[in-house]
Amino acid sequence: NAGVTQTPKFQVLKTGQSMTLQCAQDMNHEYMSWYRQDPGMGLRLIHYSVGAGITDQGEVPNGYNVSRSTTEDFPLRLLSAAPSQTSVYFCASSYSTSSYNEQFFGPGTRLTVL
Amino acid sequence: AQKVTQAQTEISVVEKEDVTLDCVYETRDTTYYLFWYKQPPSGELVFLIRRNSFDEQNEISGRYSWNFQKSTSSFNFTITASQVVDSAVYFCALRLQDSSYKLIFGSGTRLLVRP
Repeated sequence: NAGVTQTPKFQVLKTGQSMTLQCAQDMNHEYMSWYRQDPGMGLRLIHYSVGAGITDQGEVPNGYNVSRSTTEDFPLRLLSAAPSQTSVYFCASSYSTSSYNEQFFGPGTRLTVL
Repeated sequence: AQKVTQAQTEISVVEKEDVTLDCVYETRDTTYYLFWYKQPPSGELVFLIRRNSFDEQNEISGRYSWNFQKSTSSFNFTITASQVVDSAVYFCALRLQDSSYKLIFGSGTRLLVRP
């Protein structure tokens, strides 16, 4: 198993550009989520999905869209990049929504918005 | 409100010293889970341990041990005989039973183990 994969690893955008961060998992996990990591703030939830076709907002969803057309993939779209979106983005998945299940994290995407 | 506090921003120790990373959490829920993750310099997040709110037994795994105390809402992590490879940022996180299933992370503690 490859686990949770993310592409790209690094990205530089100009303000106003759009892009999609890719996330895939091959563990048949039901729950997938996106977090952003900013210095001194830990990780904060952007969006999550409890299964194909079902998504919902986390605590910092503004400026981001998600969709989940398959169990495996959960892309994160930046609609119009802003410098405040400069961050490290992590995709995570877990077997189910049960709080017992640990979340497995991808390697992260480091995004810089100029 | 749910919150996780890791008051130690950075800790520096010399190899072979023992070190304890503190974690204090806040929640009104009676059922919840606590986690520790390690983030080495390479950047990925590695799961270390899970503990549910009904299990206050301490746990030991090799050089790692965890002390969960509901009375003080703490879930501290001790590394015995630290090694350079333990250098990383360590995150404590809280996962509730009935929210968005999210992990609520502390701000992390950066541990530097010097040779």
